[in-house]
Amino acid sequence: NAGVTQTPKFRILKIGQSMTLQCTQDMNHNYMYWYRQDPGMGLKLIYYSVGAGITDKGEVPNGYNVSRSTTEDFPLRLELAAPSQTSVYFCASSPGTSDIDEQFFGPGTRLTVL
Amino acid sequence: GQNIDQPTEMTATEGAIVQINCTYQTSGFNGLFWYQQHAGEAPTFLSYNVLDGLEEKGRFSSFLSRSKGYSYLLLKELQMKDSASYLCARLDSNYQLIWGAGTKLIIKP
Repeated sequence: NAGVTQTPKFRILKIGQSMTLQCTQDMNHNYMYWYRQDPGMGLKLIYYSVGAGITDKGEVPNGYNVSRSTTEDFPLRLELAAPSQTSVYFCASSPGTSDIDEQFFGPGTRLTVL
Repeated sequence: GQNIDQPTEMTATEGAIVQINCTYQTSGFNGLFWYQQHAGEAPTFLSYNVLDGLEEKGRFSSFLSRSKGYSYLLLKELQMKDSASYLCARLDSNYQLIWGAGTKLIIKP
């Protein structure tokens, strides 16, 4: 199993551009998450999904959108990128069989908005 | 608020023992996780505590006191590869993780 994979690894965007961060997991996990991690700060939850067709906002959803059309994929869309969205983005998944499941993280996407 | 507090940085010597503390808001608590994150990499799961007491897992142990809103991660027989950030995260009433900023652990020979 590849686990959780994310593409791209790095990206530089100009202000106002849009992009989609891809996330795929091959563990048949029900739950998937998007976090951002800023230097010196804890991970912040952007959006999460408890299954295909179901998504919910996390703590910091503004400026982002998600979709979950399949169990495997959970892309994160940035519309009108802003410098405040410069961060490291982590996708994670968990089985969803229990609320206390550990989360498995992808390698991250390092995004810079200039 | 939902603050989770842990020291920003700690330094320890190879072969020694180090304790990383974490304090958190006690309301709406459903458990406490510890993750390890090496520089430039993704977090990986270390431990989960929901009941008071010590959970031992090899060189790593995690302790929880729910009444005090306090946890610690104990690392024994430190190795250079243990140099990493250690993230404390509380599972809230909605079963979402609230993360601390992490403690950067520096191991010196």
